[in-house]
Amino acid sequence: AQKVTQAQTEISVVEKEDVTLDCVYETRDTTYYLFWYKQPPSGELVFLIRRNSFDEQNEISGRYSWNFQKSTSSFNFTITASQVVDSAVYFCALSEWDNDMRFGAGTRLTVKP
Amino acid sequence: DVKVTQSSRYLVKRTGEKVFLECVQDMDHENMFWYRQDPGLGLRLIYFSYDVKMKEKGDIPEGYSVSREKKERFSLILESASTNQTSMYLCASSPYRGRETEAFFGQGTRLTVV
Repeated sequence: AQKVTQAQTEISVVEKEDVTLDCVYETRDTTYYLFWYKQPPSGELVFLIRRNSFDEQNEISGRYSWNFQKSTSSFNFTITASQVVDSAVYFCALSEWDNDMRFGAGTRLTVKP
Repeated sequence: DVKVTQSSRYLVKRTGEKVFLECVQDMDHENMFWYRQDPGLGLRLIYFSYDVKMKEKGDIPEGYSVSREKKERFSLILESASTNQTSMYLCASSPYRGRETEAFFGQGTRLTVV
């Protein structure tokens, strides 16, 4: 069963638009961690954020913000005032056990000038 | 800076060849991972290792094996390459066993089997 679902395969926006990337996860555990990674065209995944299952506070980091809602099993990622450099593939991931990180299929974001 | 280095960015191999993909990390991390990335499927875990000479199967281990003789090096082996193993392969490491640890990734190896 798919543990992490990123239903949006591709999103295209124009620069300065806000964009939200959706992530829905599935787990029976009460303790788990969620992650977002960015994969720019160079190919190397870059860690963006980690959130544990006991911390539902939203987080903001510059133009990036994350909304974690256990009630809907979602961990969505919003980019405000998008820029061309935000163009990348973004992955959401779930870690339930030690050494066990499962990724979604990814969302390709294209930001046009 | 944390560094995970994969030996090749691009590889072209023939069907039936034995293929070695090498990965080295310089952070003294305990855990190392091999994923393959395919469009629409995201990253799928092939194998991981939490210590030297230790290995665990991931979700898609068939057709692959791994070797970890030294802490810093984790090799992925395609025993007899097939065209359905054409993919992007990503190596990663993390500091210790624990679900909270983020992974650090290499730049990927794009393997084409012809």
